[in-house]
Amino acid sequence: KAGVTQTPRYLIKTRGQQVTLSCSPISGHRSVSWYQQTPGQGLQFLFEYFSETQRNKGNFPGRFSGRQFSNSRSEMNVSTLELGDSALYLCASSLGGFETQYFGPGTRLLVL
Amino acid sequence: EDQVTQSPEALRLQEGESSSLNCSYTVSGLRGLFWYRQDPGKGPEFLFTLYSAGEEKEKERLKATLTKKESFLHITAPKPEDSATYLCAGYNTDKLIFGTGTRLQVFP
Repeated sequence: KAGVTQTPRYLIKTRGQQVTLSCSPISGHRSVSWYQQTPGQGLQFLFEYFSETQRNKGNFPGRFSGRQFSNSRSEMNVSTLELGDSALYLCASSLGGFETQYFGPGTRLLVL
Repeated sequence: EDQVTQSPEALRLQEGESSSLNCSYTVSGLRGLFWYRQDPGKGPEFLFTLYSAGEEKEKERLKATLTKKESFLHITAPKPEDSATYLCAGYNTDKLIFGTGTRLQVFP
């Protein structure tokens, strides 16, 4: 069974730009969660989508948004990028919610 | 406030030297606790889920245990390939909270 895939793997953007990251979950998984990982803060929960609906949201500003499509693929968007948004963005999929989640390899975003 | 704290931050072991990693948690309505392994530049790899105090799970050289306040990841006779960052995370109905991890180095 194919694992969670994320594209692109690496991105370089400048402040003020916006970025869209993509995540394809494991086949049959309907829940997709997004996380930001930085050396100082560790892994922090952004939001979780299940059947195209955002069910849970972490403490991130409204510049961070996401959506999920009918095939369970998900995208995350960050608008008006700031230097502090430089991080590894991970998505994880599961059959439902926070039950055992399987992570993708991540997208490394560098904001200059 | 819900939080998960891991200790130590870093651990250096000689090959074969057994040790334990600690994960202390205060998560309201805890439904389960995860252990993950993360190699540099990669996403976390699932190891274990523990649901109730007293539960234990094993996989090769790793054994995870859970009490009402803590979880331990015991590593028996580690090998260099066990070098990684080990993360624990607690979850309830609306959030999953990760600790900052223990960076384990096992040298020959």
